[in-house]
Amino acid sequence: RKEVEQDPGPFNVPEGATVAFNCTYSNSASQSFFWYRQDCRKEPKLLMSVYSSGNEDGRFTAQLNRASQYISLLIRDSKLSDSATYLCVVGSTGKLIFGQGTTLQVKP
Amino acid sequence: DGGITQSPKYLFRKEGQNVTLSCEQNLNHDAMYWYRQDPGQGLRLIYYSQIVNDFQKGDIAEGYSVSREKKESFPLTVTSAQKNPTAFYLCASSPRDRSTDTQYFGPGTRLTVL
Repeated sequence: RKEVEQDPGPFNVPEGATVAFNCTYSNSASQSFFWYRQDCRKEPKLLMSVYSSGNEDGRFTAQLNRASQYISLLIRDSKLSDSATYLCVVGSTGKLIFGQGTTLQVKP
Repeated sequence: DGGITQSPKYLFRKEGQNVTLSCEQNLNHDAMYWYRQDPGQGLRLIYYSQIVNDFQKGDIAEGYSVSREKKESFPLTVTSAQKNPTAFYLCASSPRDRSTDTQYFGPGTRLTVL
């Protein structure tokens, strides 16, 4: 079992749609949680940290469920510019562990 | 501007050659990291350094070497012992020496072995 697992997609959605990505992690002692965004052939960039109480940044909402070892990212009112790969990242055993990413394609 | 720079952006190497990838940061971050990304895969940690003159192996250190003589610089050498070096190499840094903190990435170097 991978330490951090994501559905690779691709998710193809129309503009304005709401889309949700899920991520599971295997180490129950994990300490920190993030979502990064990676555009094609570019470096990953921090989208948001994920806190136990859940957090929101504009159209983006992140949730953490420690009991189920599950993280989610919800994107509302999708824009064409949201098209990218979204990486689930978990801080565990003294390092960050990156999921393989979920690809989102928003179409007009 | 503060940030992380990597050079070159593209690098071509013949089999049997060593090459060195540059990573510089002016963010005054303590910790620096090297990752490798292959198509369809997550990032894998090669080496990391939490303080000057100290560094640790990551998950896939074989065939690579690093140095950390200055806080700002963390070059990675891909040696001829690395069996499959063609990949996208990413350097990152974080403010403190905790490897589970937020990391910020440079633009990456694409290495191709001919």
